[in-house]
Amino acid sequence: NAGVTQTPKFQVLKTGQSMTLQCAQDMNHEYMSWYRQDPGMGLRLIHYSVGAGITDQGEVPNGYNVSRSTTEDFPLRLLSAAPSQTSVYFCASSYSSSTAGNEQFFGPGTRLTVL
Amino acid sequence: AQSVAQPEDQVNVAEGNPLTVKCTYSVSGNPYLFWYVQYPNRGLQFLLKYITGDNLVKGSYGFEAEFNKSQTSFHLKKPSALVSDSALYFCAVRDLTGFQKLVFGTGTRLLVSP
Repeated sequence: NAGVTQTPKFQVLKTGQSMTLQCAQDMNHEYMSWYRQDPGMGLRLIHYSVGAGITDQGEVPNGYNVSRSTTEDFPLRLLSAAPSQTSVYFCASSYSSSTAGNEQFFGPGTRLTVL
Repeated sequence: AQSVAQPEDQVNVAEGNPLTVKCTYSVSGNPYLFWYVQYPNRGLQFLLKYITGDNLVKGSYGFEAEFNKSQTSFHLKKPSALVSDSALYFCAVRDLTGFQKLVFGTGTRLLVSP
């Protein structure tokens, strides 16, 4: 299994540009999520999905959209990039959406810089 | 709201010495607590979790954590540190609003010197 994969690894955008961060998992996990990691702030949840066709907002959703058309894929779209969105983005997945206590598997991250 | 606190930004320890990385929590109801480790330029990796049962939880790479309900703590420990343990460690608690939603602490950088 490849686990959780993310592309690209690095990206530089100009303010106002849009882009999509890709995330895929091959473990048939129900739950998928996107976090951003900023220095001194830990990881903060952006959006999450409990299954194909079902998404919801996390702690910091503004400026981001998601969709989940398949179990495997969970892309994150930046609609109009802003310097405040400069961060490292992690996608994660876990087996079940309906039972607590499952560990999450993380992708390697995408480092995004917005100029 | 659920929260965790990691009071130390950095912990320094010599190789071979025991290490402790601290975490305290604030939850409503029973806590579901996790430790994750992040090596440089990598994603987070699961180390261990406390759901219920024994207060001493054993995890990957020789790490263990002690759940203390009276002190609302979940400190990560290892009897003998390795240089390769140097990394960023995150404590997390399950958020009540979703079975899989986690609330992370700010992280503690562990530096093990030779």
